[in-house]
Amino acid sequence: AQTVTQSQPEMSVQEAETVTLSCTYDTSESDYYLFWYKQPPSRQMILVIRQEAYKQQNATENRFSVNFQKAAKSFSLKISDSQLGDAAMYFCAYRSALGNQFYFGTGTSLTVIP
Amino acid sequence: NAGVTQTPKFRVLKTGQSMTLLCAQDMNHEYMYWYRQDPGMGLRLIHYSVGEGTTAKGEVPDGYNVSRLKKQNFLLGLESAAPSQTSVYFCASRSLDSLSSYNEQFFGPGTRLTVL
Repeated sequence: AQTVTQSQPEMSVQEAETVTLSCTYDTSESDYYLFWYKQPPSRQMILVIRQEAYKQQNATENRFSVNFQKAAKSFSLKISDSQLGDAAMYFCAYRSALGNQFYFGTGTSLTVIP
Repeated sequence: NAGVTQTPKFRVLKTGQSMTLLCAQDMNHEYMYWYRQDPGMGLRLIHYSVGEGTTAKGEVPDGYNVSRLKKQNFLLGLESAAPSQTSVYFCASRSLDSLSSYNEQFFGPGTRLTVL
């Protein structure tokens, strides 16, 4: 089974500042998909951003962007201009292009300081 | 369009009792999944289904059974609940739409289950 590692259990950022959450994964596949999900206190899982391994350009969604380093098997999430509403648990996830299962990291709890 | 719904939202069981969690989706998705979420462990896959009438084991299937009699519903059963099954359970679904290569998962709101 693939392994997804989030080495930062907790992170904090000042409001309006930038923060980067790290994610690494272990795979022998060449084509796969990577995702970042946000889980606010409401518990609802919300897709933040996604990336396909074959696309060299890093994905961007408004204030959220990724730094995808395929050779290093790294998929970090950058949140710019942090807002109070960004406070949540963030999960990194992996799916092989040929697979049905998703593999999740253990999550990073992000606190936004006013 | 309700997306993915889960019933119930909360439940307390005594050890040895049985129950069924219901997941329903109205997006005509082929794939459905059941996860459990425990502190410090992320989401772990229990069972999943790639279509009506089919199911497969995930990472932590012991103590659970599932059924997918209708495409829109995926049931998770606990035959004899144990305290180790205290967790938050999430259902998810995803499409097999060839036009959308990502086919990301859409999640339900979760069910908090406590087994005493």
